[in-house]
Amino acid sequence: DTEVTQTPKHLVMGMTNKKSLKCEQHMGHRAMYWYKQKAKKPPELMFVYSYEKLSINESVPSRFSPECPNSSLLNLHLHALQPEDSALYLCASMPDLFAGTEAFFGQGTRLTVV
Amino acid sequence: AQKITQTQPGMFVQEKEAVTLDCTYDTSDPSYGLFWYKQPSSGEMIFLIYQGSYDQQNATEGRYSLNFQKARKSANLVISASQLGDSAMYFCAMREFYEGDYKLSFGAGTTVTVRA
Repeated sequence: DTEVTQTPKHLVMGMTNKKSLKCEQHMGHRAMYWYKQKAKKPPELMFVYSYEKLSINESVPSRFSPECPNSSLLNLHLHALQPEDSALYLCASMPDLFAGTEAFFGQGTRLTVV
Repeated sequence: AQKITQTQPGMFVQEKEAVTLDCTYDTSDPSYGLFWYKQPSSGEMIFLIYQGSYDQQNATEGRYSLNFQKARKSANLVISASQLGDSAMYFCAMREFYEGDYKLSFGAGTTVTVRA
């Protein structure tokens, strides 16, 4: 199984809603990543988890709250988002460098904030 | 400062011809890795090819090859025998160690359009 699975694929939420994005991988990868991607722009790193601990936070606003309950699962909790937060949210996982080099990406969640 | 630079916002290529996508990078990590990804309009990020900083030979994967010039800090992607299905956005990315973990950062991307 070389897949990273993201749910939901599409999400529309109001500015007062609370929602969560989910990412799963069963490849035993030690690192998991959240990226935000606006149309026709490159993905921008938000968070990195390594062995279930937050290792990098790229100064992301607190309305985005990551959580890594176990080594296979990564969540992104959303609260009080703004319309400019509408984007494609990509999850990726990467093994320990000694185990491999490729970063595997999920298909993304297209988020629209109304 | 931008660490990965892709200077070609868009390129047109004739079907069956080769195309070269430029990528230059900057890092102080001696053990870095360079990736190329393809992103069609559907949004999925498709891994194409990888080159490690210590790899002596240029990476190849089918129709994709990476022209790695370490001293010039460039990692250009060559797509041979272009197909209509190659039309997509292409990103150069670099993995480097940063503040306690490995980051994977992306260049601005190049949109490739293959013409029949």
